[in-house]
Amino acid sequence: QQPVQSPQAVILREGEDAVINCSSSKALYSVHWYRQKHGEAPVFLMILLKGGEQKGHEKISASFNEKKQQSSLYLTASQLSYSGTYFCGTAVSNAGGTSYGKLTFGQGTILTVHP
Amino acid sequence: NAGVTQTPKFQVLKTGQSMTLQCAQDMNHEYMSWYRQDPGMGLRLIHYSVGAGITDQGEVPNGYNVSRSTTEDFPLRLLSAAPSQTSVYFCASTPSRGRKDNSPLHFGNGTRLTVT
Repeated sequence: QQPVQSPQAVILREGEDAVINCSSSKALYSVHWYRQKHGEAPVFLMILLKGGEQKGHEKISASFNEKKQQSSLYLTASQLSYSGTYFCGTAVSNAGGTSYGKLTFGQGTILTVHP
Repeated sequence: NAGVTQTPKFQVLKTGQSMTLQCAQDMNHEYMSWYRQDPGMGLRLIHYSVGAGITDQGEVPNGYNVSRSTTEDFPLRLLSAAPSQTSVYFCASTPSRGRKDNSPLHFGNGTRLTVT
């Protein structure tokens, strides 16, 4: 099943903060976050691994609650360039710990930042 | 360094026609995958490959075929196009990091397919 993202859409003014949530019904090994601008390919933002390791963007942070199978993406002091659709992609746990790039994506959260 | 290259960028097909969407990567990535993106549905996995000669189905494989004869190329074939296959198709690759999954997906720029 697809992970569920909330909210579906967010409208901000520059400088405001936002939180996007991603929730799965399955035991997760990792959560990826991507941003997609209209008409473009998704671009990598962040990976969070079971056990606490993170890898990603300087100005964007995220958390991963392994017990609840939830992740949250924190966008602080938003800029116009933050506008786009944000997707979480989840990899379920397996013995090898490798998803083979086989991510299941949420339906997306549309973020709009106004001047 | 080109990354992941998809061709064509746009394609219009008639119902019943067949075609191949091309995907090539020059990063020596072992893992490659195809996703389709429909409004409100996010990205759904069609097929994926863990290396040359090895492919497997994703969540929406019906009507599509893949092969992986080289590390670089992972074409997606539509056997008999249907209007339900109207979508944007993305190819993605990621390197093998052994047993630890800490590598992001690198996406191509997509192919916008319309089936009439």
